[in-house]
Amino acid sequence: KNEVEQSPQNLTAQEGEFITINCSYSVGISALHWLQQHPGGGIVSLFMLSSGKKKHGRLIATINIQEKHSSLHITASHPRDSAVYICAAGAGSYQLTFGKGTKLSVIP
Amino acid sequence: ETGVTQSPTHLIKTRGQQVTLRCSSQSGHNTVSWYQQALGQGPQFIFQYYREEENGRGNFPPRFSGLQFPNYSSELNVNALELDDSALYLCASSYYRGAYNSPLHFGNGTRLTVT
Repeated sequence: KNEVEQSPQNLTAQEGEFITINCSYSVGISALHWLQQHPGGGIVSLFMLSSGKKKHGRLIATINIQEKHSSLHITASHPRDSAVYICAAGAGSYQLTFGKGTKLSVIP
Repeated sequence: ETGVTQSPTHLIKTRGQQVTLRCSSQSGHNTVSWYQQALGQGPQFIFQYYREEENGRGNFPPRFSGLQFPNYSSELNVNALELDDSALYLCASSYYRGAYNSPLHFGNGTRLTVT
């Protein structure tokens, strides 16, 4: 059974700060997803990666397959980045195991 | 390109009742997955449908059942509702059924409250 752990659970940052959210998983995976969930509940897919690094705007996601670890970085954080960030690991053909999420608050 | 839409957005039911939640997939997507998200927790996988057939199931009892229609829209049915079924129910559509090769497109969810 795959266990997915995220840290920190809660994070408060000042606008402009560099932010890192970590995700560790326990078994080998085929893909790692980073998702963003706003207070209304809707979820937006940010990244899907199986190796290396991906960048989109101010967001960067990295994964280390050997260490079973992934990080999501936000550069120059902004209050609109405030949301819950969830990582989800895909170890089989269809099932994703989700972390509990990291609640980010960016203060102006 | 239309996104994933779920209905209703909110629902209140009484313990023991039955409920049907609906999901319209993003155009061109043939796979739908359903998730249950309790307050303060990450989503839990319920099941996935691929081309009208159940493709996989998480650790949920048989009173959670589903359907996928020829237009790839989907329903989640829950019988004999229990208080612990209170949660946000999310559906996500994708073009491929694998968890490793296709980004997920989520709906905004249905908030179910069981009293």
